[in-house]
Amino acid sequence: GESVGLHLPTLSVQEGDNSIINCAYSNSASDYFIWYKQESGKGPQFIIDIRSNMDKRQGQRVTVLLNKTVKHLSLQIAATQPGDSAVYFCAAASGGSYIPTFGRGTSLIVHP
Amino acid sequence: GAVVSQHPSRVICKSGTSVKIECRSLDFQATTMFWYRQFPKQSLMLMATSNEGSKATYEQGVEKDKFLINHASLTLSTLTVTSAHPEDSSFYICSAIPLGQLSNYGYTFGSGTRLTVV
Repeated sequence: GESVGLHLPTLSVQEGDNSIINCAYSNSASDYFIWYKQESGKGPQFIIDIRSNMDKRQGQRVTVLLNKTVKHLSLQIAATQPGDSAVYFCAAASGGSYIPTFGRGTSLIVHP
Repeated sequence: GAVVSQHPSRVICKSGTSVKIECRSLDFQATTMFWYRQFPKQSLMLMATSNEGSKATYEQGVEKDKFLINHASLTLSTLTVTSAHPEDSSFYICSAIPLGQLSNYGYTFGSGTRLTVV
């Protein structure tokens, strides 16, 4: 089965710094990856996704990098803002299964 | 964009009673909705897949008689926690995929329901 984990439970950064949140997955058949942001007491919010035929995808202030060789992906947030403080989850899905498996989550704390 | 509404956002109930949580897709139709459970500082755990007009598919270890799911229309799925116990206290979240977009995994989540059983 799929196992998705995050390297660090908590990441503290200063406002304006860049943040990097890492995630490892175990199923080499995973071909679709998603990052979600969850604020306290709310449901997850889609941030960015990437398919296995890509190794990098950029959005507004966010970049996702995928390294299929070591089954690792990361979320980079540029110029982190206090509003970015939340728990970030990576999720992975395998071909044929449209239900992603969620990782444990990393709590991002942005200090002003 | 796609919006999923969940109601209520918070509910407190007594042990032994049942609680119904609603999940509505506001501006799109969804043949498939998902129900998750989340404990404090934990990840989301998929409980079941709700299919419009048919029985829900439950994940291993989830009691279907305990967590009743009804998906009576293309815009509404309900989760009923029956004979609730304190250990059922949790954050319940639904999500939905727009009709015909099963290959698009970045589906929309509701805002969640905090259930407290006393």
